[in-house]
Amino acid sequence: SQQGEEDPQALSIQEGENATMNCSYKTSINNLQWYRQNSGRGLVHLILIRSNEREKHSGRLRVTLDTSKKSSSLLITASRAADTASYFCATDAFGTDKLIFGTGTRLQVFP
Amino acid sequence: EADIYQTPRYLVIGTGKKITLECSQTMGHDKMYWYQQDPGMELHLIHYSYGVNSTEKGDLSSESTVSRIRTEHFPLTLESARPSHTSQYLCASSEGRSNEQFFGPGTRLTVL
Repeated sequence: SQQGEEDPQALSIQEGENATMNCSYKTSINNLQWYRQNSGRGLVHLILIRSNEREKHSGRLRVTLDTSKKSSSLLITASRAADTASYFCATDAFGTDKLIFGTGTRLQVFP
Repeated sequence: EADIYQTPRYLVIGTGKKITLECSQTMGHDKMYWYQQDPGMELHLIHYSYGVNSTEKGDLSSESTVSRIRTEHFPLTLESARPSHTSQYLCASSEGRSNEQFFGPGTRLTVL
């Protein structure tokens, strides 16, 4: 069964607004990662948060992790039209080297 | 420049043809992966490799095969393409214990 599920499936906002995406997973993890995918392209790694971390920042990105709820959120502040893309969370099932990707959130930012 | 490359970017081919999708990386990574992704959907791992002469099947059953004769090269082959193979195929590599993966641009395959 799918490890990660993301919510919402799609999100449309205006430039300057904040965008929040959520990810839930099912098993114990070593770390959780967020990736971005522009239409028809490969994925680009954004940020990694380890299981013993609760919050991490990178530029306009803020990621939280709640291992008790098996959930994570990605916040993009002051969004720009160039942030339009699909965003995926990915978890490594504990003890393996493989990643399991969530269903993705399609974000559209209007100018 | 360290990178990961996939060729071709787009391929339209008839049923029954044999095809090979190429993936090369210049980062010296030991681990490489192939994913299948339908438009707007999640990625499914179909093959992975931990190094030369190592290949494993992923979580999604696939009729494709892979080989890893050189560290930098991880080609995927379909012996007889069918319309059900129409999808985007993404190659990735990683090194170390963090599992951060670097992705190629993908090959969009259409089988008529």
